[in-house]
Amino acid sequence: QQPVQSPQAVILREGEDAVINCSSSKALYSVHWYRQKHGEAPVFLMILLKGGEQKGHDKISASFNEKKQQSSLYLTASQLSYSGTYFCGLSRGGSQGNLIFGKGTKLSVKP
Amino acid sequence: DVKVTQSSRYLVKRTGEKVFLECVQDMDHENMFWYRQDPGLGLRLIYFSYDVKMKEKGDIPEGYSVSREKKERFSLILESASTNQTSMYLCASSLSAEQYFGPGTRLTVT
Repeated sequence: QQPVQSPQAVILREGEDAVINCSSSKALYSVHWYRQKHGEAPVFLMILLKGGEQKGHDKISASFNEKKQQSSLYLTASQLSYSGTYFCGLSRGGSQGNLIFGKGTKLSVKP
Repeated sequence: DVKVTQSSRYLVKRTGEKVFLECVQDMDHENMFWYRQDPGLGLRLIYFSYDVKMKEKGDIPEGYSVSREKKERFSLILESASTNQTSMYLCASSLSAEQYFGPGTRLTVT
């Protein structure tokens, strides 16, 4: 079952913060975050492997709450380059990296 | 740098035609994936392969088949293209967790 992402879309001004949520009805093994800029291929941002783990990449960080079966992506002091569609992908188990992706959250950062 | 290439960026085919979409990766990855991407639906897995000649159905395999004769190449086949298969098709490869995506093929079936 596809994870549910919220919000579906968000518009920010440069420097503002945003949170993107990813929820699952099933237990989470790991959560993967990708960003796809307009007209480009999705690019891996980060993976969270165990409950409660928080990872960061520049001013983008994420948390993973096993109990709530939810992950959140935090974008701090957003830049124009953060614009794109963010996808969370949940592992189905196994070692092949087989993921089920959410429908995506479109983030637009305006000057 | 990992490179995943797809044979065409844009393709236009007629209903009923047999269509081949090719994907090649240059990093000796064992796992390869085919997704389709439609507005508002995200990335949906069609098929994946974890070894040469091995394949597994994804979430939406109907109307598609795949072939993996060599480790670096994974082909998606539309046996008889239909208009509802008009979409963006993305190929990806991975060694373990991180997937590397190709640029995509935008297929239009008329």
